[in-house]
Amino acid sequence: AQSVSQHNHHVILSEAASLELGCNYSYGGTVNLFWYVQYPGQHLQLLLKYFSGDPLVKGIKGFEAEFIKSKFSFNLRKPSVQWSDTAEYFCAVNGAGGFKTIFGAGTRLFVKA
Amino acid sequence: DGGITQSPKYLFRKEGQNVTLSCEQNLNHDAMYWYRQDPGQGLRLIYYSQIVNDFQKGDIAEGYSVSREKKESFPLTVTSAQKNPTAFYLCASSLDRGGTEAFFGQGTRLTVV
Repeated sequence: AQSVSQHNHHVILSEAASLELGCNYSYGGTVNLFWYVQYPGQHLQLLLKYFSGDPLVKGIKGFEAEFIKSKFSFNLRKPSVQWSDTAEYFCAVNGAGGFKTIFGAGTRLFVKA
Repeated sequence: DGGITQSPKYLFRKEGQNVTLSCEQNLNHDAMYWYRQDPGQGLRLIYYSQIVNDFQKGDIAEGYSVSREKKESFPLTVTSAQKNPTAFYLCASSLDRGGTEAFFGQGTRLTVV
């Protein structure tokens, strides 16, 4: 069955700490991978995406993610978080050419000032 | 401003009543989607539409109905057959299928009492 698993539901970090949010997926065939972010009171928005090519993709606000095909993983990283990174983060996957995007359960990140 | 507008932001209904959630986009996107967001479950796809007058069931379509009479509009009706309708509903659109990113509305929180 198609699924996306996010390892942590809640993460609390202090400012300047490094961040890594885990994401594993189960989806047959070629995939497109996404990380979306939902800041408090705002729309869900795209953080970064992977279609093909370099498995290390860079997104907005200093975030990056690495696609490891052999591990079916697409982990999100940031070297030094800020208080403004407090948000909920969603990993998502769809098949190349397909509409059906599957989302993970989300990870709520709280960054202490 | 281009974007997706969902209305209303909050909606209360009595059990047994049908209710329609509005979603309008002015991005000239072909594809539109409805998701349901519940705590700890991420976003689950209810219905999606690739083009006008065409739509497909997602993973949790039972108790919901949609229409796509205009490119800009994709209303969702929550019927009395939906057993657990209280939730946060998100509408999204994308330029086309697959790897393009989805743009989300601000959501409608439906409470059935």
